[in-house]
Amino acid sequence: GAVVSQHPSRVICKSGTSVKIECRSLDFQATTMFWYRQFPKKSLMLMATSNEGSKATYEQGVEKDKFLINHASLTLSTLTVTSAHPEDSSFYICSARPPGTGLGQGYTFGSGTRLTVV
Amino acid sequence: AQKVTQAQTEISVVEKEDVTLDCVYETRDTTYYLFWYKQPPSGELVFLIRRNSFDEQNEISGRYSWNFQKSTSSFNFTITASQVVDSAVYFCALSEAYQGGKLIFGQGTELSVKP
Repeated sequence: GAVVSQHPSRVICKSGTSVKIECRSLDFQATTMFWYRQFPKKSLMLMATSNEGSKATYEQGVEKDKFLINHASLTLSTLTVTSAHPEDSSFYICSARPPGTGLGQGYTFGSGTRLTVV
Repeated sequence: AQKVTQAQTEISVVEKEDVTLDCVYETRDTTYYLFWYKQPPSGELVFLIRRNSFDEQNEISGRYSWNFQKSTSSFNFTITASQVVDSAVYFCALSEAYQGGKLIFGQGTELSVKP
C-alpha cells in the first residue's frame, strides 16, 4: 500500500533556530501533500496544501514566512519552521493522496513529527 | 462552510461495553466524503473508514460499525465489546469534493477502555 514517511519523528531545538521536517511518499508520486498541526489534546488543523512545482496554499492565519513549505519533487515535501519559538512546539503531520485515487478515496498520513522548542 | 463536531471530548468505558462516538458535520456541497481515524498514543493516524455522500449504507467491520444519516448530518461510530486496545483518540473528518482534498477534522474523542 501507499506509504508516507515523515522524518524526524521527534526533534528538540533551541529557540531562534530553524527546523526542517521531511515528508516523503515512498512508493507513489504525490502531486499534492497536506501539512497539519496538532496541539496537545486538540484536533488536527490544516496548515497548508503543498503542490509540486508551485507555491503552497496556506490556510488563513498560518504565517507563510514562518512555516516554509517546499515541494520540489513528486515524492518530497518539506516544512521548515523558521526562527522557532516555544509556541511552535507541536505535533506536525503530513499526508498525501496516491495518484489515481479520487478526492475522497484515501489519504495516507506520515507518522508525525513532535517538535519541542526550548 | 464546512465543519465537523464531535461533542464528546472524553469517554470512559469498561472493557466489553459497547460505545458510540458521535460525529455531526456541516457542508454545503452535495458531494463530500466522511472519514474516521484512530490516533493511538504514538501519534500516527490509522484510517478506519471512508464514506461518500451518496452511500448511506451502514457498514460493519468486525467490532466496528458506522451509521451514516444524511438527514441528521451524522456519521456515528460504534465499537462493540470494547477492548483496552481500543483506547485512543478518534477523529471524524470531512472532505468536500471541490476543496482540493483538504480534510477538516473534528475535535476528537478520547476513548479510554478500562479493564
